[in-house]
Amino acid sequence: KQEVTQIPAALSVPEGENLVLNCSFTDSAIYNLQWFRQDPGKGLTSLLLIQSSQREQTSGRLNASLDKSSGRSTLYIAASQPGDSATYLCAVELYNFNKFYFGSGTKLNVKP
Amino acid sequence: DVKVTQSSRYLVKRTGEKVFLECVQDMDHENMFWYRQDPGLGLRLIYFSYDVKMKEKGDIPEGYSVSREKKERFSLILESASTNQTSMYLCASSKNGQENTEAFFGQGTRLTVV
Repeated sequence: KQEVTQIPAALSVPEGENLVLNCSFTDSAIYNLQWFRQDPGKGLTSLLLIQSSQREQTSGRLNASLDKSSGRSTLYIAASQPGDSATYLCAVELYNFNKFYFGSGTKLNVKP
Repeated sequence: DVKVTQSSRYLVKRTGEKVFLECVQDMDHENMFWYRQDPGLGLRLIYFSYDVKMKEKGDIPEGYSVSREKKERFSLILESASTNQTSMYLCASSKNGQENTEAFFGQGTRLTVV
């Protein structure tokens, strides 16, 4: 079974810092990896999707990379802002019926 | 703007009641999913469906059933609600295949069983 791990579980940084969130997975036979953001009590908002043939994706201040061979992905957030405070989850999509498996998330707090 | 809509944000039900959670998507996606999210346990897959009238068990199907009579609608049914089914329930949809299979989520339903 696919295991997805996110480190750190929580992170508190001052506004303006650049930061990296980590995601690792045990089975490299994946279609895609997706990063989500979740605000308290809300659903998940898709941030970036990296297809298995890609190495990275960028959207605004966010950059996500994927290394299938080592089973790792990173989400880089540049110039963090208080509005970035949320829980960030990564999910890997398996070949079998497009099932997604989630990490338990990194809770980010950006202090003004 | 793509949309996955769950019928309720908050629900309070009594033990033993039959509970229906509804999810509708407007993206013509083949795949639909039901997850529950609990502190310390993350998101766990209950059931998913890859086509109308098709369903597959996820990791924690016990105590739940699903229905997909139309492509856009996926219902989660708690046959006899119990207190251990108090949780946040999240519905998602995605396109089938290998490319552009981005998953989209609804806003979640916070279910409390008393």
